[in-house]
Amino acid sequence: AQRVTQPEKLLSVFKGAPVELKCNYSYSGSPELFWYVQYSRQRLQLLLRHISRESIKGFTADLNKGETSFHLKKPFAQEEDSAMYYCALRTGAQKLVFGQGTRLTINP
Amino acid sequence: DAGVTQSPTHLIKTRGQQVTLRCSPKSGHDTVSWYQQALGQGPQFIFQYYEEEERQRGNFPDRFSGHQFPNYSSELNVNALLLGDSALYLCASSLAPDYGYTFGSGTRLTVV
Repeated sequence: AQRVTQPEKLLSVFKGAPVELKCNYSYSGSPELFWYVQYSRQRLQLLLRHISRESIKGFTADLNKGETSFHLKKPFAQEEDSAMYYCALRTGAQKLVFGQGTRLTINP
Repeated sequence: DAGVTQSPTHLIKTRGQQVTLRCSPKSGHDTVSWYQQALGQGPQFIFQYYEEEERQRGNFPDRFSGHQFPNYSSELNVNALLLGDSALYLCASSLAPDYGYTFGSGTRLTVV
């Protein structure tokens, strides 16, 4: 079965500190991984996808097939990074399987 | 471009009733997917419509049904509402089934 696990429901870091949001997945095929973000009072939006290997708003994520992980990282957190973050897995069936989400709070 | 538009934004229904939620996809998008997001949970896939047909379905009972119209807009229908159907219902559209999604703001359904 396909599953995405985000072990931290809440994560709080200070401005300027590094951030890592953890994501582990379970899928027997070739996965396509995404990070979605939801800022306060805004809709869910795509942050990045592993196949594009790009950095968005300073965030990066590397797919580690050996550890079945797709952790989201940023070296220096900013207050505007406070949001709800969801890791998602797309299987060959085109549907997205989401994790439970991590609420990131950046303290000034 | 208004992006993905969902209506209504909020809805209160009584247990046992039926509800219809509507979604207009982003301009140029022909694929619509529906997700249910319970409080404190990530979105769960309900089904996907492409070329006016249900292409994929998640683990939801037959009480959940949908439709896609020739203009690519879509409806989600839920019959015999249960208290557990209370959730945020998200619509997402894409250029094609394999492309990235654009999400709407959702419809908040409360069943009392």
